[in-house]
Amino acid sequence: DQQVKQNSPSLSVQEGRISILNCDYTNSMFDYFLWYKKYPAEGPTFLISISSIKDKNEDGRFTVFLNKSAKHLSLHIVPSQPGDSAVYFCAASPWGGAQKLVFGQGTRLTINP
Amino acid sequence: DTGVSQDPRHKITKRGQNVTFRCDPISEHNRLYWYRQTLGQGPEFLTYFQNEAQLEKSRLLSDRFSAERPKGSFSTLEIQRTEQGDSAMYLCASSFNDRVGVDNSPLHFGNGTRLTVT
Repeated sequence: DQQVKQNSPSLSVQEGRISILNCDYTNSMFDYFLWYKKYPAEGPTFLISISSIKDKNEDGRFTVFLNKSAKHLSLHIVPSQPGDSAVYFCAASPWGGAQKLVFGQGTRLTINP
Repeated sequence: DTGVSQDPRHKITKRGQNVTFRCDPISEHNRLYWYRQTLGQGPEFLTYFQNEAQLEKSRLLSDRFSAERPKGSFSTLEIQRTEQGDSAMYLCASSFNDRVGVDNSPLHFGNGTRLTVT
């Protein structure tokens, strides 16, 4: 039972344009969400998070949107840069339970020059 | 801050052998986690420690797996009688939590130990 789903295994975007990565979840107990970025041969690196009391959180070029009614979140990267090429994982946990993150399968983002 | 360190980076072993991995968390972090990642999937939670206490274990962690954090600093993960299905990337992460029962500080991951069981 995949509680966190990233339905797009890959995404290709032109440099300078917006990248939008999507994530759906099924467990209504989840109320804290994170995005991690992973380069080959490295561990995941934390990017940005959002709690269920918000519907948007922004950090520089990265913005995460949360739609609780649809159980959907998305990560927007604007403008996309070549260094953003990586695998992006969406993760979720119950509030106060960041230790037991449930990850999606990941989306490989490729930024084309 | 030297980050989370894992050793070895790669381990190839024959089925039935025992293996042990080590994780050194970020020094001021009191929580330490083990996750496992297989090809094409995201990391899956295995277990975590608050200081030296192992607070939770996933049902993914069979009785062939044991994790320790004897002095609340580094941790080891041992797999006994390895099986081919144990082949995966084993990730360690750490975080700092200063409130009992509540932890929303992001996890800092190491670069993992890739295990191949032949």
